[in-house]
Amino acid sequence: GESVGLHLPTLSVQEGDNSIINCAYSNSASDYFIWYKQESGKGPQFIIDIRSNMDKRQGQRVTVLLNKTVKHLSLQIAATQPGDSAVYFCAENKGSYIPTFGRGTSLIVHP
Amino acid sequence: EAGVTQFPSHSVIEKGQTVTLRCDPISGHDNLYWYRRVMGKEIKFLLHFVKESKQDESGMPNNRFLAERTGGTYSTLKVQPAELEDSGVYFCASSPGTVNYGYTFGSGTRLTVV
Repeated sequence: GESVGLHLPTLSVQEGDNSIINCAYSNSASDYFIWYKQESGKGPQFIIDIRSNMDKRQGQRVTVLLNKTVKHLSLQIAATQPGDSAVYFCAENKGSYIPTFGRGTSLIVHP
Repeated sequence: EAGVTQFPSHSVIEKGQTVTLRCDPISGHDNLYWYRRVMGKEIKFLLHFVKESKQDESGMPNNRFLAERTGGTYSTLKVQPAELEDSGVYFCASSPGTVNYGYTFGSGTRLTVV
C-alpha cells in the first residue's frame, strides 16, 4: 500500500547547527503535507504545512521543501536549539481529513 | 482554552484484562479522532467521530476495540480483552471542521499490556 516514511530514525546535531529532516511519500495524488513535532510526554503539535501547488514554505526558523518529482518532503530547522529535541512526523493528505503519518525521526540536539 | 485531555496518561494491565481510555476534546469541536502509535512505528489512524456518529472506523484493528462518543462530547476507547500487541500510545485529536483544519492532539495514553 501507499505510505509515508522517513529516511532516518534518529538525527543528532549540535546546538546552533541547521537540521534537515527528510520524508518520502509514495502517493503522488497527495495534495497537502504537514510536519508535526512531538515532545516527550506530549501529543504531536503542528509545526508547518505545505500544499502541493507550492515547493517551499517558511515559518519561524523552519522551512518545508516539497519536491513532487521525487516525492520528497523535508523540514529544515535553522539554528537548532535544545528545545527542538523531539520526534518529528511528516504527514500527507489526499483531499481527506485523515492524514497519513510517517514513522517519525528523533532529533537530538547536543549542547 | 483547554486543550484535548486524555486519561489516564499511563496504564499497565495484564493480558486479558479490560482497559478504557478517555478523551475530552476541545469544547465545540465536533470532530474527534483516535490514533495509535506502536513503539517506533508510524502514528496510525483508528477512527473518526463527527459529534456522536462514527464517520470512519476503518483503522480499528479488530472487534476487541470499541469506541463510543455518547452525547457528542467526550469519547472512550475500550480494549477488551487486551493483548500484548495492543501496547502503544493512544492519541486523541479534535478539530472544529474537517479537511486539514485545526487538528489538535492530546498528550496520549501510554498503554502497556503485560
